[in-house]
Amino acid sequence: SQQGEEDPQALSIQEGENATMNCSYKTSINNLQWYRQNSGRGLVHLILIRSNEREKHSGRLRVTLDTSKKSSSLLITASRAADTASYFCATVLNTGGFKTIFGAGTRLFVKA
Amino acid sequence: DTEVTQTPKHLVMGMTNKKSLKCEQHMGHRAMYWYKQKAKKPPELMFVYSYEKLSINESVPSRFSPECPNSSLLNLHLHALQPEDSALYLCASSHPGLAGGPSYETQYFGPGTRLLVL
Repeated sequence: SQQGEEDPQALSIQEGENATMNCSYKTSINNLQWYRQNSGRGLVHLILIRSNEREKHSGRLRVTLDTSKKSSSLLITASRAADTASYFCATVLNTGGFKTIFGAGTRLFVKA
Repeated sequence: DTEVTQTPKHLVMGMTNKKSLKCEQHMGHRAMYWYKQKAKKPPELMFVYSYEKLSINESVPSRFSPECPNSSLLNLHLHALQPEDSALYLCASSHPGLAGGPSYETQYFGPGTRLLVL
């Protein structure tokens, strides 16, 4: 099964509201990363949080990591229509090679 | 230059055709990746190259043949594909880890090639 699972699968909010997405994973991690993907395009790296960090900020993004619960959350504050995209969490497994596993993703729609 | 480029952007091919997807980066990354992504699904890892050598093959059918001719280029050769192979194919690269090659670090993705197999 997927290393990272995300919820909700889809989220629709008004511009200006906050959006929260959650990710759970199964094995121990070195770090957890969040990526954004606009429709049908490549992924853009948003933020990386290491296993010894609990919270990290980047602009309007806030990521938390709870290694005891094997979960992470991504908060986007004061959302904009341009934030409409799919958001994926990702972890890397070292199983003799470094294999990146993506969560199922959350599709965010921000209404203007 | 922090860009990964992929060509072509779109590709339509028949099941008997042979085609190639190309990926290029000039960030000095020595780990490069191919992913396949179906609609509304996350990317799935296909291949990983480390220092131009194949280090991971995720049991991908032999009709997909990767090639890494040098540290900046990654190709994916396609032959006798099936309609279910239609997908977005993404290339990525990353900084080498402490031991060199792939690592836990950030991956930089290209825009992808949208492939349709008829």
